[in-house]
Amino acid sequence: KNQVEQSPQSLIILEGKNCTLQCNYTVSPFSNLRWYKQDTGRGPVSLTIMTFSENTKSNGRYTATLDADTKQSSLHITASQLSDSASYICVVRSTGTASKLTFGTGTRLQVTL
Amino acid sequence: SQTIHQWPATLVQPVGSPLSLECTVEGTSNPNLYWYRQAAGRGLQLLFYSVGIGQISSEVPQNLSASRPQDRQFILSSKKLLLSDSGFYLCAWSPGGGEKLFFGSGTQLSVL
Repeated sequence: KNQVEQSPQSLIILEGKNCTLQCNYTVSPFSNLRWYKQDTGRGPVSLTIMTFSENTKSNGRYTATLDADTKQSSLHITASQLSDSASYICVVRSTGTASKLTFGTGTRLQVTL
Repeated sequence: SQTIHQWPATLVQPVGSPLSLECTVEGTSNPNLYWYRQAAGRGLQLLFYSVGIGQISSEVPQNLSASRPQDRQFILSSKKLLLSDSGFYLCAWSPGGGEKLFFGSGTQLSVL
């Protein structure tokens, strides 16, 4: 069964600090992995999409890594800001139809003063 | 540019009442359209997807139905809501054959 597990479930950090969110998956066959940011009560917004051959991809202060061998991904947030407070969702797509996405339950990040 | 509109943002409905959530996409043609539900503490669950007018695929058996009367319009419906239908509903679209998924702003449905 395809699964995506994220950790930690929630995280509180001080503004300006860095943090790393983890994603482990068992989706097969693998197509790509995406990280989304979801503000409370809003729809998710894409941060990065990584394919099998990509190890690292950055989007501003967000850097995603992918280890396809161990089936792990991380999202590193540098110099956090209050606006980074949101849920971060890891999504893995398997090959086949476009509808085959497996969503993680997300990590709830709170950035405080 | 492409935009996706979903409404209403919040809805409170009594058990047994009907439901109609609407989603429209602008600025593109022949999009793939999706309805997801997000329950508290759980990942997004795909409910329906459509690759064209009148073409609806259901991922899970449930009390809901979907329709696509026009190319860029996707409607989620129920004849009689259940308590278990409460949740956060998200409409999304992707270009036909494309990778990226774009979400609407969501509808928080509370069935009381």
